[in-house]
Amino acid sequence: SSELTQDPVVSVALGQTVRITCQGDSLRSYYASWYQQKPGQAPVLVIYGRNIRPSGIPDRFSGSSSGNTASLAITGAQAEDEADYYCNSRDSSGNHRVFGGGTRLTVL
Amino acid sequence: EVQLVESGGGLIQPGGSLRLSCAASGFAVSSNYMNWVRQTPGKGLEWVSVMYSGGSTFYADSVKGRFTISRDNSKNTLYLQMNSLRAEDTAVYYCARESYGSGTSLGTNYYYYYMDVWGKGTTVTVSS
Repeated sequence: SSELTQDPVVSVALGQTVRITCQGDSLRSYYASWYQQKPGQAPVLVIYGRNIRPSGIPDRFSGSSSGNTASLAITGAQAEDEADYYCNSRDSSGNHRVFGGGTRLTVL
Repeated sequence: EVQLVESGGGLIQPGGSLRLSCAASGFAVSSNYMNWVRQTPGKGLEWVSVMYSGGSTFYADSVKGRFTISRDNSKNTLYLQMNSLRAEDTAVYYCARESYGSGTSLGTNYYYYYMDVWGKGTTVTVSS
């Protein structure tokens, strides 16, 4: 399968921890990367590889993977973390990329 | 500064053609994997095409045979030629650099890929 499945909507209380998941067969072979997108802006890479954060991404963002599921965790969610989050990986051919449907995170 | 700037979007009638450009600065397009990704209004991200540093190209099934990705190394620019446009091609089109890394765990090598540089996007509207 070349699909990546995400929960459409997730909410978290301010300061609490939230986990956003991404499921797909290709995740057994490829690491997911995670992107944050705020309205009217381009996506921003937040996590890739085995839990690597690009420069400038707060350390409250972390990633993990097990079997066919990749997860993005935000520990101590802030109001500015409210955004859409997308996972990305490759399909079984290794040459096509695929994005999850996205998760809209609401910080209450 | 590492940067990507897309251009070439606009309003086009169904069946028409359009060429998008993505000008890179701070790195060489020819030395990297370069992608086009689109986003339909109010919807999620959809991968469109990739060009490898070696020149190989791949396309999403939704655009295969209609879109062509290419690059001009002298201009350090990536292109997306879009033909036979349809209403469902209406979207914001982003170009993105894809980088990769590797590591070893328990004696096994692994690789990972990620799109680390994105442009701001250019809007394509297909409508009569």
